[in-house]
Amino acid sequence: QVHLVETGGGEVQPGRSLRLDCGVSGDLFHNFGMYWVRRAPGKGLEWVAHISYDGRESHYAESVEGRFTISRDNSKKMVWLQMNSLRVEDTGIYYCGRDEGGALKLGILNWGQGVPVTVSS
Amino acid sequence: QSPLTQPPSTSGIPGQRVTISCSGAKSNIGTNPVSWYQVLPGTAPKLVIFNSHQWPSGVPDRFSASKSGTSASLAISDLHSEDEAEYFCAAWDDSLNGPAFGGGTKVTVL
Repeated sequence: QVHLVETGGGEVQPGRSLRLDCGVSGDLFHNFGMYWVRRAPGKGLEWVAHISYDGRESHYAESVEGRFTISRDNSKKMVWLQMNSLRVEDTGIYYCGRDEGGALKLGILNWGQGVPVTVSS
Repeated sequence: QSPLTQPPSTSGIPGQRVTISCSGAKSNIGTNPVSWYQVLPGTAPKLVIFNSHQWPSGVPDRFSASKSGTSASLAISDLHSEDEAEYFCAAWDDSLNGPAFGGGTKVTVL
């Protein structure tokens, strides 16, 4: 059984920083890539960042490139999303999810419950 | 603007069949498998289809999906009231080096 729990959300002013944590229970964490996906109010799902199973590769959506950083520690079964220079349009619910088969081949079966981020002055 | 295009809404009566289309490009649907997600209000997405046409354990076979070229579709047969939700398609995009999602389709059970 795989369980993902996000923490670290909250309300911040534009330009400030926030870090989201995603803790994963279950075996074989080190075998899977991980995603952060968000949903802005009234909008659809948007991919934010992806990190490979070993942490050596990471990729970002154009909207967050250069401001957000995804990282992981396989020994702690943790994934983080460091969000800097936050903008109002970064507001939304942020989910972490496990990449079942690499490059979304098998979809995202396991998701966290989501954590809200509000960027407002 | 979402990378994949879905109709904003569709509806049906209980027992009816509804379909949702998802249009993309060669870099995503044209090259990679499609997955579909059900999102109920206030909850995390739930995977209902992966690898373009397969079901995860526990998803009823009333859900079916297909892919052709740069388009995909999800069909829900024998519509139930609990199927009322938003549905999103997704596929890896070789240009983005990440997943492309559709804008979502709201399914209303009348």
